[in-house]
Order: sequence, then structure tokens, then C-alpha cells
Amino acid sequence: GAGVSQSPRYKVAKRGQDVALRCDPISGHVSLFWYQQALGQGPEFLTYFQNEAQLDKSGLPSDRFFAERPEGSVSTLKIQRTQQEDSAVYLCASSTGGNTEAFFGQGTRLTVV
Amino acid sequence: DQQVKQNSPSLSVQEGRISILNCDYTNSMFDYFLWYKKYPAEGPTFLISISSIKDKNEDGRFTVFLNKSAKHLSLHIVPSQPGDSAVYFCAASGPGTYKYIFGTGTRLKVLA
Repeated sequence: GAGVSQSPRYKVAKRGQDVALRCDPISGHVSLFWYQQALGQGPEFLTYFQNEAQLDKSGLPSDRFFAERPEGSVSTLKIQRTQQEDSAVYLCASSTGGNTEAFFGQGTRLTVV
Repeated sequence: DQQVKQNSPSLSVQEGRISILNCDYTNSMFDYFLWYKKYPAEGPTFLISISSIKDKNEDGRFTVFLNKSAKHLSLHIVPSQPGDSAVYFCAASGPGTYKYIFGTGTRLKVLA
């Protein structure tokens, strides 16, 4: 596709429920990132993939968060046993790698009730 | 510890005038800086970037200035247009890294 696509756009989860957020990066982009953006804040880094390899997951807030990119294209961010503090916009971005600009998707707004 | 700071949460400018958005950083290892624009309910859109080997980069109405000694960068928009009204984020990354550190954003409102 022309841009980074994320689904769903909005997700409401009951506390304790598992959720899966999907990201379709720009075709051919090697690098894929996940960021979390809380209300009134800038995006915060969660994890980074180069192709299928997860090279950095230092930003994942707890072991309830898990990300994968098995074929080096589509990525899924999974959150297990969601908590209210997980409520945020989850942004996916992709780039050609190196010091190049990353292109962001529209984000998934997760609300945990 | 906020490594990238945007100290002005909001800014209002008259249409046609210059908008100047500021950003300060603390990590002297940062070598690549970007500005993103964000409309409500959309993801951030890349605007312009600058490498630390430069002190200025220009793209149409947008110019980014980098002052390494002061650890400060700014985005100038001339002339400002109502469609520029959005939240602007600066971001930085360091050598050999790939993740961006973002500021908290400045909400720009351009008044017609």
C-alpha cells in the first residue's frame, strides 16, 4: 500500500482481556517500530524490528507486551491481561533503515475499561 | 529524564507571519533530528530533518535550524497558513541507533 496501515483504529478492551494490534508497513521497508503515545505526551519507543529480527525491545513496559514480525513484513503487537494504564495510542512506523525518516500509521487507540 | 524538550505547549500566530517552534535536547550524542506534524486522530507526518553535520535545512516554507553548542533546534514556518495548525513534535536519534526520542509537542494555531 501507499502508507503504513494499522488495524483496528479503535479498540475497547475489558481489563484482563488480551488484544492484538496489527501493522502493515510500507512495502519494502526494512525497519519497523512500535511506539506508545499517552494523552498529551510524545510517542515513546517500544520496540524495533529489522526485517524479521527484533533488535530492540527495551521500551516494552512489561512482559505482558509482545511483538512479532515473522516474515519481515506485517507486525503484530500483543498485550496480554490488559490494564487501565495500557490505554494509549499505539503507533507503528516503518523506514528504509539507517538515518532516514520513519513513516507513521494512523495508530490504534486502545481504551481499557 | 526528558532528553528532548519542547517547553512551549502552545503557540498562536497570525496567518502570513512566521511561526517559530523550539526544541532543546540534553544528549550531545544525538546526531539526527526530525520534525513531525500531527493532526487529531492521525499519525505523525514527517516534515523535515537535519543531520548534525549541518546547521540549516530548508524545504519550501519549512526551515530547521540546529545549534549544536546550545543543543537547540528550531522549526521556522514562513508564511504560516491556517492548514499548518497542528501539534508539532521534534525527535532525535543517536549514532548507530534507530529509535527516536520525541518531545512532548507544541500545538500551533494559525489564525486567519
